[in-house]
Amino acid sequence: DSGVTQTPKHLITATGQRVTLRCSPRSGDLSVYWYQQSLDQGLQFLIQYYNGEERAKGNILERFSAQQFPDLHSELNLSSLELGDSALYFCASSVFGSSHNEQFFGPGTRLTVL
Amino acid sequence: GDSVTQMEGPVTLSEEAFLTINCTYTATGYPSLFWYVQYPGEGLQLLLKATKADDKGSNKGFEATYRKETTSFHLEKGSVQVSDSAVYFCALSDPSNFGNEKLTFGTGTRLTIIP
Repeated sequence: DSGVTQTPKHLITATGQRVTLRCSPRSGDLSVYWYQQSLDQGLQFLIQYYNGEERAKGNILERFSAQQFPDLHSELNLSSLELGDSALYFCASSVFGSSHNEQFFGPGTRLTVL
Repeated sequence: GDSVTQMEGPVTLSEEAFLTINCTYTATGYPSLFWYVQYPGEGLQLLLKATKADDKGSNKGFEATYRKETTSFHLEKGSVQVSDSAVYFCALSDPSNFGNEKLTFGTGTRLTIIP
């Protein structure tokens, strides 16, 4: 158990819909990262938050957005869903947001868009 | 940009065989290097890491040495067990990407150990 929790574990929805994925980082970790794992793209970095502020963006679609709240939990919002958005979405956290620190991953949310 | 090239899988070995999974990287700075493991139905777990050249990371019998001259970080284990069956990801984090501590992953190598 990494100490990072993600809900829900599975999500099945239809094209055009909007969903919210939730992540609670390990106690004391200030940085939260979101990654997408799909068969064709592999593991891709989406976005990073540090202590409530957006710190870095990767290949995140404009239809996707995220935020980190004062209690440090984070939400990833996916809207106007397409079939290609079906993937495993991971949240990870780390202590200082330093590249030398390991990131602890949650169990993931499996999103299926029908 | 940064990239990680990882040995294609799947890899199937017999129990107690020697394991090598190759990983090479491209980065503009001096990255930290990681091996993560993903067991079926689970998230990624850090297996080992190295943060500077010639460092050797080790954990659970696995080892990898940060080779700057060959830009490599190959994963090795002397005697694999059935419980090592999983997908292994090589990854880097580049501190020259100031303020962006993202991990860049290889494609993953699926390892299956046969009793």
